[in-house]
This record gives sequence, structure tokens and C-alpha cells, in this order.
Amino acid sequence: NAGVTQTPKFRILKIGQSMTLQCAQDMNHNYMYWYRQDPGMGLKLIYYSVGAGITDKGEVPNGYNVSRSTTEDFPLRLELAAPSQTSVYFCASKGWLTNTGELFFGEGSRLTVL
Amino acid sequence: KNEVEQSPQNLTAQEGEFITINCSYSVGISALHWLQQHPGGGIVSLFMLSSGKKKHGRLIATINIQEKHSSLHITASHPRDSAVYICAVRSGTSSGSARQLTFGSGTQLTVLP
Repeated sequence: NAGVTQTPKFRILKIGQSMTLQCAQDMNHNYMYWYRQDPGMGLKLIYYSVGAGITDKGEVPNGYNVSRSTTEDFPLRLELAAPSQTSVYFCASKGWLTNTGELFFGEGSRLTVL
Repeated sequence: KNEVEQSPQNLTAQEGEFITINCSYSVGISALHWLQQHPGGGIVSLFMLSSGKKKHGRLIATINIQEKHSSLHITASHPRDSAVYICAVRSGTSSGSARQLTFGSGTQLTVLP
């Protein structure tokens, strides 16, 4: 099983550029999440989705947008990149019926904005 | 908002030693997660606890709800256990959502051969 797949793994952007981080899961999970991880800090929730067509803001949504047109895919769009968006981004998913609450994470995407 | 504190921030041990990593939180929770972040960056779930104790191989996780404290123990540590261990707490009552998770900043564990 592929699990949660994130691309790209690394990217360097110039200030003002835009890009999309891709996230796909093959476990038929309803819940999907985007987090950012800054050095010395805990993961912060950017956006989440409880199912296709439904998205909502997390703790740090400014500067980002998401969409959820299918169950499998949850891309994160950065518009007008800023140095403050330099971070490692993680996509995660969780099933609707699981009682364990286990989150499945992608391998992460390291983004640098110069 | 829940505050999650982990200690120590960094821990170096010799192979075979018994390891303890601690997690404290400030507000009542419905569940607590322990995660492992590999040196390459990938994150995997180790445990989810709402009470008592869970064991998986050489890993043991305990939680004391009254004291708002959890510990992750590693017995007979090995260099392959070197990783960042992250505690996360869920404050909401909805069992289906992880949006109320608050993450600690992690404990960097290095096990020397």
C-alpha cells in the first residue's frame, strides 16, 4: 500500500511565486489534514477536510488554500509565497470508522522561500 | 487551548538503556497520541491512549489523566530507536476528528551503539 503520498519532497520558491503541494491517499480515508512543522515547534494545522467537497481552516490558514474534489486528493496551494512559509509540510489522513484514531502521514515536503 | 510540554527536549542514551520521555498537558483531554518522526522526516503513529497503559514490542506508553501526564518508555534501547518522539493531545470530544490535536515540540532521542 502506498498510504499517503506527498509531492514534491523539496522545493525552493522565490518570494511571490505560487505552487501546489500534492497529497494523495489510497486508503479511502475521509479525513485529510495539512500541517506545517517549524524548527523547535509542534505541528500546526493549516487546513483539514472531512470528505470530498468539504474543507475548513485550521490554526494557521493565512496564505494557503485547499480543495478536495475527490476522496483521494487534497492539494495545498500557496499563493504569493513569503519567507514565513518556509517550513516542512505534512499531509495526513484518518479513516471514518477507525477507533484507534491513528493518523497516517506523508513523508513531508520541505519548502524554502527565498 | 491546550499547552503540551515534552521533556527532555534532547536525550542521548547508550544502547540497551531504559528510556523515558515525558509529556504534560494543561487541559483535560479525550486522548493522547505518541508519534515517531524518523531521521528522514516521515512520521508514524505509535500509540493512542485515553487511559492506563499500552505496550507494543519494546515500547510502553502510560497516561495519568488526573495528573495530566503521559510517559513513553523504551526498553533495551537500540540505535534504530533514534528519532524524534512527539506527543499530541486531543481536547475535543469527537472521536472522529483530529482537528483538535495539539502537538508537543518533540524529544530528539539518540541511542549510541
